[in-house]
Amino acid sequence: QKEVEQDPGPLSVPEGAIVSLNCTYSNSAFQYFMWYRQYSRKGPELLMYTYSSGNKEDGRFTAQVDKSSKYISLFIRDSQPSDSATYLCATGGGSNYKLTFGKGTLLTVNP
Amino acid sequence: SAVISQKPSRDICQRGTSLTIQCQVDSQVTMMFWYRQQPGQSLTLIATANQGSEATYESGFVIDKFPISRPNLTFSTLTVSNMSPEDSSIYLCSVVRAQPETQYFGPGTRLLVL
Repeated sequence: QKEVEQDPGPLSVPEGAIVSLNCTYSNSAFQYFMWYRQYSRKGPELLMYTYSSGNKEDGRFTAQVDKSSKYISLFIRDSQPSDSATYLCATGGGSNYKLTFGKGTLLTVNP
Repeated sequence: SAVISQKPSRDICQRGTSLTIQCQVDSQVTMMFWYRQQPGQSLTLIATANQGSEATYESGFVIDKFPISRPNLTFSTLTVSNMSPEDSSIYLCSVVRAQPETQYFGPGTRLLVL
């Protein structure tokens, strides 16, 4: 079993839709959880980060972590064509700050 | 956040040659990493670049193939040695910012080995 599983998609939605992106992880020692957005031919851009179970909201984006089921989600409300990118979940634990990444989900928001 | 630059942004190299990738950060950072992103794959950590000492490599990566230098707290290089087509990938450096502890990535170096 891979440490972080993420459905690679691709996922195509109409503009304005609510998008749900999900990952599962296997290592219960993971303590921090991040979502990165990566546009084509660019480096990953930190979108959301959280260190605990529950929800964290930032504008149209909500990150959700359920440590009991080892499940992390990113919700995008009112999706825009500019949200079209690959979304990568990442988790880690301990003071070494090493991250384990999912494969990424390619999202296309159609105008 | 952090401003991170990488050079070159892309390169096409011949089999058997070596390429050195540079990573420059706008301010001092303690922790710096090198990742590889192969087509259709997740980011894979190559090594932690330690300032003033040898890099710490992850399983499957060795110093002879990926020598790393970290002469100071704002700069690091990764060399891909004796390249083969399997080394074609995007190579990314990242840094950790404290309070909160978050990791930021450079724009990446796209490498194609023929």
